[in-house]
Amino acid sequence: DGGITQSPKYLFRKEGQNVTLSCEQNLNHDAMYWYRQDPGQGLRLIYYSQIVNDFQKGDIAEGYSVSREKKESFPLTVTSAQKNPTAFYLCASSIEINQPQHFGDGTRLSIL
Amino acid sequence: ILNVEQSPQSLHVQEGDSTNFTCSFPSSNFYALHWYRWETAKSPEALFVMTLNGDEKKKGRISATLNTKEGYSYLYIKGSQPEDSATYLCALNSNSGYALNFGKGTSLLVTP
Repeated sequence: DGGITQSPKYLFRKEGQNVTLSCEQNLNHDAMYWYRQDPGQGLRLIYYSQIVNDFQKGDIAEGYSVSREKKESFPLTVTSAQKNPTAFYLCASSIEINQPQHFGDGTRLSIL
Repeated sequence: ILNVEQSPQSLHVQEGDSTNFTCSFPSSNFYALHWYRWETAKSPEALFVMTLNGDEKKKGRISATLNTKEGYSYLYIKGSQPEDSATYLCALNSNSGYALNFGKGTSLLVTP
C-alpha cells in the first residue's frame, strides 16, 4: 500500500547530540513537509520541499536541517542548536499545493 | 504565520447528536482551506480541501462550508457516532506560500 513511513516511533536525544528523523513516501508526491506539535498548540511547519534538491524554511526552522536528495525521502535532523527539541514530529506529503496532505504516524522525541 | 482559530477547543456530545465546529481565518490572500480528522494513535486524515467561496462538501455524515469573504468555515457532523471521536483540524493555504497554517483543533468526544 502507498503511504508515508516515519521512523523511529520514539527517539531520545542526549545533550549536544544531533539526531535524524526518517521520512519515506511511496506516493510519488513532489511536496514533502515536516511539522512539530507541542501540547496545546497547532501543528507548526519546520521545513518543506516542493521538489528534489530544493527546500524552504517554515515558521520554526531554527535548530533543524533537512535534505531532499531523493523524491521519496525527506529526513529531518534536529541539531544541538535546537534547545527545546522535545515534541511530536509529523512528516507529510502532497501531490501539489491545493491537494490534501498525507501524514506519517509521527516520531516522539525526548531529551535524556 | 497566519492566525487560524478553531472553536470550540473541545466538545462532548451524545451518540446521535449533530454538532458543528468553526474555523476562522484571515480572508486576505486566501488560496485553500483544508479539514483533517486526527484520531488518537493514528495519523491525520484529510477530509476536505475547499477553494471557492460558497463551497460545500460532503463525505458521509460530515459536511463543510466555506465563506472566504468573511473568513470562516463550518464543519458539521450529523448524527454523531463514537467513531467520530477525534481532533478536527483546519488549515489555511494562502497565496503567499505553499505551507499550511494549522489551527489548534477541536477535540470531539462522542459517548454512547
